[in-house]
Amino acid sequence: QQQVKQSPQSLIVQKGGISIINCAYENTAFDYFPWYQQFPGKGPALLIAIRPDVSEKKEGRFTISFNKSAKQFSLHIMDSQPGDSATYFCAATYTLGRLYFGRGTQLTVWP
Amino acid sequence: NAGVTQTPKFQVLKTGQSMTLQCAQDMNHNSMYWYRQDPGMGLRLIYYSASEGTTDKGEVPNGYNVSRLNKREFSLRLESAAPSQTSVYFCASRDRGNNEQFFGPGTRLTVL
Repeated sequence: QQQVKQSPQSLIVQKGGISIINCAYENTAFDYFPWYQQFPGKGPALLIAIRPDVSEKKEGRFTISFNKSAKQFSLHIMDSQPGDSATYFCAATYTLGRLYFGRGTQLTVWP
Repeated sequence: NAGVTQTPKFQVLKTGQSMTLQCAQDMNHNSMYWYRQDPGMGLRLIYYSASEGTTDKGEVPNGYNVSRLNKREFSLRLESAAPSQTSVYFCASRDRGNNEQFFGPGTRLTVL
């Protein structure tokens, strides 16, 4: 049973546009929701993370929106750049527990 | 600091052969993890070690064994490789008190 569902599987955005990736979870015990970014041939790296006691977290052009009642969270990339082209994974965990990953979104930003 | 290192980077095996994937971290982290990544499937946890001396199964442990050799090293062994084990394998580590996992560069394994 997939603990975290991610969509879309792939996304193509024009340079300067907004990229939006969505995730949903079922387990209300999850209390930490990170997003990982992976470039081709590299391992994933933490991009940004949020806890359910806040509805939004922003770091530069990257924002996580969190809807606790709907059990959904999303990543928004403002002013998308070709250098943002990568695969993005959402994940969820209990504090200090194992991570449950979504299946990933391959983002392509056209110049 | 090298972070998390994995060897080898690439490997081709024939069905039935065995091999060990090596992982080491120099960040003094307590927890270590092995994942496999397949197209459209995301990262799936094979085994993890919450601390030195302990190991636990993840989502897809069948066909694999692990050894937490010491605090730094966590190896993954395929006793009898199968084509279904063709994948990219990632090792990761995490410090006690911190949710962030740090990933290695991966090992691309092909089983013919």
